[in-house]
Amino acid sequence: AQKITQTQPGMFVQEKEAVTLDCTYDTSDQSYGLFWYKQPSSGEMIFLIYQGSYDEQNATEGRYSLNFQKARKSANLVISASQLGDSAMYFCAMRDRVGGFKTIFGAGTRLFVKA
Amino acid sequence: DGGITQSPKYLFRKEGQNVTLSCEQNLNHDAMYWYRQDPGQGLRLIYYSQIVNDFQKGDIAEGYSVSREKKESFPLTVTSAQKNPTAFYLCASSKQTTGGRTGELFFGEGSRLTVL
Repeated sequence: AQKITQTQPGMFVQEKEAVTLDCTYDTSDQSYGLFWYKQPSSGEMIFLIYQGSYDEQNATEGRYSLNFQKARKSANLVISASQLGDSAMYFCAMRDRVGGFKTIFGAGTRLFVKA
Repeated sequence: DGGITQSPKYLFRKEGQNVTLSCEQNLNHDAMYWYRQDPGQGLRLIYYSQIVNDFQKGDIAEGYSVSREKKESFPLTVTSAQKNPTAFYLCASSKQTTGGRTGELFFGEGSRLTVL
């Protein structure tokens, strides 16, 4: 069955340092997509980064990169040079054919950036 | 500007009442989704629709109903059968109903429902 696991309910990071948010997934499909979304306290969901299962290189989008380890079924988000505005909830999500191309989400990690 | 509009932003309901949350998109997206979010938790899928006049149940459809009569609109009704409806509801859309980056979800700002 499809499943997304985020084991870190909360994380602290010092401003300007890098932080890694963990995500593991489970699917029987060979073709799938992994997404990370950010949810500030205002509630809206913001797309950050995408990784396809057949992509050979790790995805990067500005200060965000995705550490994709297919054999371990992990898709960790790395935020470099943290900023105060990065304080938010972060959700890992997956979408695959087996699941009918609907997106499922992990429980999320709340990131606190300290000045 | 293209986007997704949810209304109302805040809604209060008495027990036993049905309420309808509106979701409209002008992105010309085929697929639309409703998620529920409880405090400190992830998003759970209520219903989704990949084409007009068709929709499927998600993981927690009991007590909810939807319709998809127009491509742009996907309203969610929270019925009195939903035992614990107080939550934050998010509507989303995606360009494609298949895989790839086009599966990225675009979200509305959410509707916060409180049962009194």
